[in-house]
Amino acid sequence: EAGVAQSPRYKIIEKRQSVAFWCNPISGHATLYWYQQILGQGPKLLIQFQNNGVVDDSQLPKDRFSAERLKGVDSTLKIQPAKLEDSAVYLCASSLDRLAGAAGELFFGEGSRLTVL
Amino acid sequence: AQKVTQAQTEISVVEKEDVTLDCVYETRDTTYYLFWYKQPPSGELVFLIRRNSFDEQNEISGRYSWNFQKSTSSFNFTITASQVVDSAVYFCALSEAGRGTDKLIFGTGTRLQVFP
Repeated sequence: EAGVAQSPRYKIIEKRQSVAFWCNPISGHATLYWYQQILGQGPKLLIQFQNNGVVDDSQLPKDRFSAERLKGVDSTLKIQPAKLEDSAVYLCASSLDRLAGAAGELFFGEGSRLTVL
Repeated sequence: AQKVTQAQTEISVVEKEDVTLDCVYETRDTTYYLFWYKQPPSGELVFLIRRNSFDEQNEISGRYSWNFQKSTSSFNFTITASQVVDSAVYFCALSEAGRGTDKLIFGTGTRLQVFP
C-alpha cells in the first residue's frame, strides 16, 4: 500500500517569495492534516480537512498561509509571502477518519523541508 | 491548557543499554489519549503506541515498554537492550478526545542516539 506522498522534499526560497507544497494521502483516507515542525520543536497542527471541508484551521496564519483540498483527495499548502520564521518541515498526514485520527492512527509523509533566506 | 513536556532533549547510550524517555503532560480533561511517535532520519513520524486515560495498565511490546501513571501525569517509554536502529527522535503527544477535538499536542521530542 502506498504511503503519504509529499513534494517537493526540499525547497529554498528568499523571503517574500511564494511556495507551494503538495500532499497525496493514503487512498481512502478521509482526513488530512498539515503540520509545521520547526527545528527542535514538535509538530504543530496548521490545518485539518475532513474530505474537502476544513475541520480546524485555528493555528494557520491566514494572512500568508492557505490550503485547499478541492476534490477531497490531494491537498496543497501555500505560503505567500514567506518569512524567515516559516523555515520548517511541513508534514502531511492522513487518517481513515476523524475517529482514527483522534486515536492517533495518523500516517505521515516524509515532509517538505522549507528554508527561507 | 494542554501541554506535553519532554525534558530530555538528547540522550546517548551504547548499544544494549536500557533507556527511558520521560513524558509529562497537562490536561484538564478526564478523557484523553496519550501517544508515542518515532521520527527516524527519513522524517516521517511513525505511530508506536496509544493509551487512553482510563487504562493505566503498563504495556510491553518486544523491547518497548510504557509506564502510564496518572498520579504523576507521566507516560514514560523504555527501550530495553537498545539497538542502533532505535536512533531517532521520539515524540510524546496528547489528544483530548473528550472535547470532541482530534488535534494532537506534541512535546518537543527527545533525540536518542544509540552508538555501537
